[in-house]
Amino acid sequence: GAGVSQSPRYKVTKRGQDVALRCDPISGHVSLYWYRQALGQGPEFLTYFNYEAQQDKSGLPNDRFSAERPEGSISTLTIQRTQQEDSAVYLCASRRSGGAYEQYFGPGTRLTVT
Amino acid sequence: EDQVTQSPEALRLQEGESSSLNCSYTVSGLRGLFWYRQDPGKGPEFLFTLYSAGEEKEKERLKATLTKKESFLHITAPKPEDSATYLCAVQGMNSGGYQKVTFGIGTKLQVIP
Repeated sequence: GAGVSQSPRYKVTKRGQDVALRCDPISGHVSLYWYRQALGQGPEFLTYFNYEAQQDKSGLPNDRFSAERPEGSISTLTIQRTQQEDSAVYLCASRRSGGAYEQYFGPGTRLTVT
Repeated sequence: EDQVTQSPEALRLQEGESSSLNCSYTVSGLRGLFWYRQDPGKGPEFLFTLYSAGEEKEKERLKATLTKKESFLHITAPKPEDSATYLCAVQGMNSGGYQKVTFGIGTKLQVIP
């Protein structure tokens, strides 16, 4: 089916506002990952889910960041009280199962905090 | 903690000039090493998965190889359309429930006509 989709593609917000980033994975993919990518850097792991269970959230920078995947499909990454240092591209990826399989990435959401 | 170091950070080649990109890694029990290509403004695109030392995979002008400490992405007779950032990533046995994937910063390749 279709690839991984993310929305919005671009988001400009003022410091202190909350934002919600959405990821719609490939149909049937069990695992879903969130990454953050700064300019000129590789993707930095934030968190991942198997089905609806959040397995590892060790990469979330602080408690302003949270993620959910309530029905094991679409996921939302929420950033509360945004700060300028949160500006980055947020990437979502899905994979078919929990093994060492390739991930399929969405186009990312570019977040700018002013 | 898993670590991935890629070199060089940037590489400029003439069209047809073959070269190799390096990925050195430290991981506790490798489950898989991945190569991705990323074009500006887009998400990474999967190229290869390597699972054990000695393994090689090829796709068009690209060939990926793996040893116990590093992986190479060989580019033979590159074309301008091969210009992109190439990312290496590893997944280890003890990586956050065995599924956490750690990326390097990438090698930005530019192929000049």
